[in-house]
Amino acid sequence: EIVLTQSPATLSLSPGERATLSCRASQSVSSYLAWYQQKPGQAPRLLIYDASNRATGIPARFSGSGSGTDFTLTISSLEPEDFAVYYCQQRTNWPLTFGGGTKVEVK
Amino acid sequence: EVLLVESGGGLVKPGGSLRLSCAASGFTFSNAWMNWIRQAPGKGLEWVGLIKSKADAETTDYAAPVKGRFTISRDDSKNTLYLQMNSLKTEDTAVYYCTTDVASKGFDLWGQGTKVTVSS
Repeated sequence: EIVLTQSPATLSLSPGERATLSCRASQSVSSYLAWYQQKPGQAPRLLIYDASNRATGIPARFSGSGSGTDFTLTISSLEPEDFAVYYCQQRTNWPLTFGGGTKVEVK
Repeated sequence: EVLLVESGGGLVKPGGSLRLSCAASGFTFSNAWMNWIRQAPGKGLEWVGLIKSKADAETTDYAAPVKGRFTISRDDSKNTLYLQMNSLKTEDTAVYYCTTDVASKGFDLWGQGTKVTVSS
């Protein structure tokens, strides 16, 4: 099973600041990594697939990068609606696995 | 409208059974590989299992914690996905989501989730 480790667990930032979230895989997942945003009481929302492709309707302030074992989700300038929990997920091997999440909170 | 709607959650005693349903609309359900994902209270996301399309022999796969207890099936004539959960344990308590990839190589369509509580 591929283990995904997200860091930091919590990121305290102010609106307008840049957020950089990390996801590290226990073995290579090539570029088959996705990022999701989840707000309380809601289902997750796909942001990025295949490491760097924005899903339909996702604002350009969200970007993804990386390949192999190290990946980054960047939010260039935080909007109030971006404070949420973010998960990475790999689809290289079964079982599909998710990272433990990074909570982006208001500083 | 492209939609997934889960139902069937509730309170069940340890050792009991429950069947969840996920009704799909707005896309070609018969072509979709459908997944169940769960989220225990205050915890992260956990993949439960999937069923492939009929064209891919409706192959199923399950996460280790549920293998042998949970069964995923589908009825393409009703555009509905099912999750039969037997021998439930307290650690199966979670919100269960059905999800699939409609327009991208990621889970871009999710239901609203249905809550399952296993408690005596």
